[in-house]
Amino acid sequence: DIQMTQSPSSVSASIGDRVTITCRASQGIGTWLAWYQQKPGKAPKLLIFAASNLQSGVPSRFSGSGSGTDFTLTINSLHPEDLATYYCQQGNSFPRTFGQGTKVEIK
Amino acid sequence: EVLLVESGGGLVQPGGSLRLSCAVSGLPFSSNSVNWVRQAPGKGPEWISSINGRGDYTLYADSVDGRFTISRDNANNSCHLHMSSLRVEDTAVYYCARGATGSILLQPAAEAPRWFDPWGQGTLVTVSS
Repeated sequence: DIQMTQSPSSVSASIGDRVTITCRASQGIGTWLAWYQQKPGKAPKLLIFAASNLQSGVPSRFSGSGSGTDFTLTINSLHPEDLATYYCQQGNSFPRTFGQGTKVEIK
Repeated sequence: EVLLVESGGGLVQPGGSLRLSCAVSGLPFSSNSVNWVRQAPGKGPEWISSINGRGDYTLYADSVDGRFTISRDNANNSCHLHMSSLRVEDTAVYYCARGATGSILLQPAAEAPRWFDPWGQGTLVTVSS
């Protein structure tokens, strides 16, 4: 199975800050990576697929990059509604696997 | 709007069985794979099973293989997850999700999905004596 490791496990930032979350795959996955946002008590929501493609309706302050084993999710200018836990997921092989999550908190 | 609604969760004793259902609307159901993803308390999501649009190809995570069975009823736009020999470690919120694919444009996945979008609201399964 491909292991997905996210860092940091949590981050506290101020409104307007840039936040960067990283995800590392245990083996190369090309650009078959997605990012999800999960707000408290809600289901995960797809933000980015294929490493850098924004899902329809997702604000442009979110962006993704990377390929191979190292990936990044960036939130430019943090908004209050971005309080959530973010997960990466590899779509390269089964079983599909997720990272352990990064909790974004507002200072 | 694509909508998925899970039902059937509850409290069950270890070794027991439970059947979850996922009602889907807003899309051509037989052209879309359906997937179950669970999330234990305080943990990340875990993919556990997928079924293709025709219902003739299924996949399972090792953690549930041989104990869980996924099926679908294309006439009634629903998907089911029959869970047996339940263990305490199966306690989780169970989500159904539509399968998607694509590297530039997001598209429905009739077969093996790359991504999961959208998700239902989830149903809680608690395995405890």
